[in-house]
Amino acid sequence: QSALTQPASVSGSPGQSITISCTGTSSDVGTYNYVSWYQQYPGKAPKFIIYDVNRRPSGVSNRFSGSKSGNTASLTISGLQAEDEADYYCSSYTRNSTVVFGGGTKLTVL
Amino acid sequence: QVQLQQWGAGLLEPSETLSLTCGVSGASFSGYYWAWIRQPPGQGLEWIGDVNHNGTTNYNPSLKSRVTISVDTSKSQFSLQLTSVTAADTALYYCARPPLGRRSYMDVWGKGTTVTVSS
Repeated sequence: QSALTQPASVSGSPGQSITISCTGTSSDVGTYNYVSWYQQYPGKAPKFIIYDVNRRPSGVSNRFSGSKSGNTASLTISGLQAEDEADYYCSSYTRNSTVVFGGGTKLTVL
Repeated sequence: QVQLQQWGAGLLEPSETLSLTCGVSGASFSGYYWAWIRQPPGQGLEWIGDVNHNGTTNYNPSLKSRVTISVDTSKSQFSLQLTSVTAADTALYYCARPPLGRRSYMDVWGKGTTVTVSS
């Protein structure tokens, strides 16, 4: 299975909003509302911040939001803060009953 | 609070078999799926596969011919075996757990085990 496609890097200034895209196919993102997003700091395990496209687990800031259109899902972070600088990964359930991750996006807060 | 503690050999030679185990504490083992995910150095995450408490498995098609994930409910453990390893299998291997009744995302992660394949 092919990894979902994410931009390698994005950047923004504190207070701004950024959006990270995650493009899949009709076999994964396009068919299932089971897209998740993870935040990973260096040397740490990933932490899920969005599930089922746009649902936030308790404890995750409402500055994080998710959406989906067709085969592309998106993570938006509003009011950027220095602590948001991390790697972000999307994932999706697939038609093969597997899970596929994106290649990851490095967010730099300028 | 559920915790995942993982262990296994960290240095392998090409063609050997990778073997890792993940022990579960602080929560019920039954009813959940249990997953393995890896991350090569400086690269992204790759889902390897999962298993439920009944032993039903799902594998990444690209690894399916070399992977076995098994479960030992009596010990609240699950294991990963990957045969015929090469340098491309060098990675940080995580065990993880999706929420009850779900498979599509992981809400609990182990700390990871670094596996290096080198002659």
